[in-house]
Amino acid sequence: SQTIHQWPATLVQPVGSPLSLECTVEGTSNPNLYWYRQAAGRGLQLLFYSVGIGQISSEVPQNLSASRPQDRQFILSSKKLLLSDSGFYLCAWSVVPLSGANVLTFGAGSRLTVL
Amino acid sequence: GESVGLHLPTLSVQEGDNSIINCAYSNSASDYFIWYKQESGKGPQFIIDIRSNMDKRQGQRVTVLLNKTVKHLSLQIAATQPGDSAVYFCAEISGFQKLVFGTGTRLLVSP
Repeated sequence: SQTIHQWPATLVQPVGSPLSLECTVEGTSNPNLYWYRQAAGRGLQLLFYSVGIGQISSEVPQNLSASRPQDRQFILSSKKLLLSDSGFYLCAWSVVPLSGANVLTFGAGSRLTVL
Repeated sequence: GESVGLHLPTLSVQEGDNSIINCAYSNSASDYFIWYKQESGKGPQFIIDIRSNMDKRQGQRVTVLLNKTVKHLSLQIAATQPGDSAVYFCAEISGFQKLVFGTGTRLLVSP
């Protein structure tokens, strides 16, 4: 069966520090991978998605970047965090193409607090 | 479109009541619509989906209705239980590889 791992679960970082959140998927090949952000009490905003190794699509201009160095690994990074980067970050995967039931399976999330 | 900047609306119901959660979507070309449930501090979980060529689909205690004329989607939960308390999101497949979420609704179930 497929599983998705996301870490760290919680992170408190000072403004200006770097960030690295990692996500890996097991039990599938060539998945679509996604990073979403959720501010407190808000909806889900798509940040990045990837359809293959080294292929990254950015949805919103921001202080963050994403990379996919391996088929089942997706990394969210920042060189210098801003206060506004605080939030709940969710990694997700799906089969290709995106359609039908169980379209996205989410990880448990990483809660980032920037102070 | 996405309304990620808005505070979540809240629906409060009594245990045993039926709940109806509504969602408006923007892309008339979307092929699939999905409902997700997100419990506090966790990632969203799939509940039920409906294809654009259908207007109703039923699952266990849940029914999704799709009205393409007014671009409206609803999730009905029968005999709501305290364990149903969560934030519910509708989502649509937009473009080839993206899932776009609508504004969520917080469901509070009182015993």
